[in-house]
Amino acid sequence: DTEVTQTPKHLVMGMTNKKSLKCEQHMGHRAMYWYKQKAKKPPELMFVYSYEKLSINESVPSRFSPECPNSSLLNLHLHALQPEDSALYLCASSLRDRGIYEQYFGPGTRLTVT
Amino acid sequence: GQQLNQSPQSMFIQEGEDVSMNCTSSSIFNTWLWYKQDPGEGPVLLIALYKAGELTSNGRLTAQFGITRKDSFLNISASIPSDVGIYFCAGHNNTDKLIFGTGTRLQVFP
Repeated sequence: DTEVTQTPKHLVMGMTNKKSLKCEQHMGHRAMYWYKQKAKKPPELMFVYSYEKLSINESVPSRFSPECPNSSLLNLHLHALQPEDSALYLCASSLRDRGIYEQYFGPGTRLTVT
Repeated sequence: GQQLNQSPQSMFIQEGEDVSMNCTSSSIFNTWLWYKQDPGEGPVLLIALYKAGELTSNGRLTAQFGITRKDSFLNISASIPSDVGIYFCAGHNNTDKLIFGTGTRLQVFP
C-alpha cells in the first residue's frame, strides 16, 4: 500500500479566512512533506517533517503554518492568504530509512484564494 | 531553486508509437526517480533507479540511470491513450530534497 490521502480535494477561501489542509499516511513512513505546485510547473518544496520534527522550511511565508501531530498526520494551516497562493498543494511521504528517500504523493488539494 | 533539464518539453504522438525522454543535470545524483502526473492529481512514482548504468522496467516503461550519474532516460513502448500526462524526473542524494525536472508533457492521439 503506497497511499497518501489528502482532504479536502478542493478548497475556496477568502483572504481573511482560516482553513487547514490535512494529509495522512499509514505506511510507517517517517518523513512527510508539503509542496506547492503551479500549473505546468514541477512541485516546489515548502516544508519537511522528519520523525515528527520540522527539519526544512523553504522560507515559506508565515501565513502557512505546518503541524505534525503524529507520525501519520500532517496539517497545513492557512491564514490571510493572497490570490497568488492559489495552487495545487501536495503532501508526500517517504520511508526515510535505510537510504530509501522515494517520495509518494497524495492526490493534492486544489486551493483557490478569492 | 535548482531544476533538472528535461527534454523534450512536449510530445504529440500517435497511439502505438514508442516514446523517449531524458533528464540531465550539472551535478551527480545517487538516485533517479520518474513520476507521471495526470491533470489535477498528484505525481505517481513510476520507477526508481539506484545505481549508475541500471536499467529498470515497469510494464511498458523502461528507465536507465546514466553512467555519468548526471542523466536518466525514460522510454515508453507502444503508447496508449492513458499514457497522456506530464512526466517528471527527479534526483536526490539521500536527502529529503528532491530536485525535479521541468517536465515532459505527453499527448497521445488515437
